[in-house]
Amino acid sequence: DAGVIQSPRHEVTEMGQEVTLRCKPISGHDYLFWYRQTMMRGLELLIYFNNNVPIDDSGMPEDRFSAKMPNASFSTLKIQPSEPRDSAVYFCASSLAGFSDGYTFGSGTRLTVV
Amino acid sequence: AQSVSQHNHHVILSEAASLELGCNYSYGGTVNLFWYVQYPGQHLQLLLKYFSGDPLVKGIKGFEAEFIKSKFSFNLRKPSVQWSDTAEYFCAVNQVHNNDMRFGAGTRLTVKP
Repeated sequence: DAGVIQSPRHEVTEMGQEVTLRCKPISGHDYLFWYRQTMMRGLELLIYFNNNVPIDDSGMPEDRFSAKMPNASFSTLKIQPSEPRDSAVYFCASSLAGFSDGYTFGSGTRLTVV
Repeated sequence: AQSVSQHNHHVILSEAASLELGCNYSYGGTVNLFWYVQYPGQHLQLLLKYFSGDPLVKGIKGFEAEFIKSKFSFNLRKPSVQWSDTAEYFCAVNQVHNNDMRFGAGTRLTVKP
C-alpha cells in the first residue's frame, strides 16, 4: 500500500479563495482524521470519520471549514473563503478500528493564504 | 480538562547524551499511549505504542518508553542520541472505547554533532 496520500503538497492561495485539500486513506482503514498543525497551537484534531460518516467535527474552527468523505477511499477538507490565519500544515491520517497500529499519517498539505 | 502535557518545549543535546522526554496525561480510565516522531519537513511516524502488558515498551531506532500508571506518565527515553534523532516528538493518548487520539504540544529535539 502506498500509505495515506494527500494532495496537493503545497498550496498558496489568496485570501477569499476556496481551497480544497484531498486525502486518500489506506485501503481497509475504518477511520479517517483531519489534523491541522501550527507553531502556535500544535496538532489540532479538526474532524474524524468512521466508515465514511463524520463522527466528531467539534474541532472544525468555524463554518468556513467543511469536510466530506463520499466513499471509503477519498476525503476532502474545504475552506471557503480562506483567510491568512488558516495558513498551516493540514494532515490526514487513517487507522483501523482499535488503533492497534496507531494512526498512519499522510505527508501533509502546507497551505499558505496570502 | 483532559489533556496531554509534554513538559519540554525544546531540548538540545550533544551526540551520545541520554534522552528523556516527559509526557503526562489527565485522562481517566484505560488508555492507549503512543509516541510519534516528525523529522523536519516530514509527516508523523509511529515510534512506539503501549496498549497493555509490560509497561516498558521498546520501539524503533533504540527508543523506549515507560508507562507509570500511578503517575499518568509515559516518558520517552534513549540511552545515546544521534544527530539523526533531531526531530519533533509527540506523545499521544487514546482512551479505550473512544475513537480519537489527542496529541501533546510536541518537544523539539536538537542533537548537536
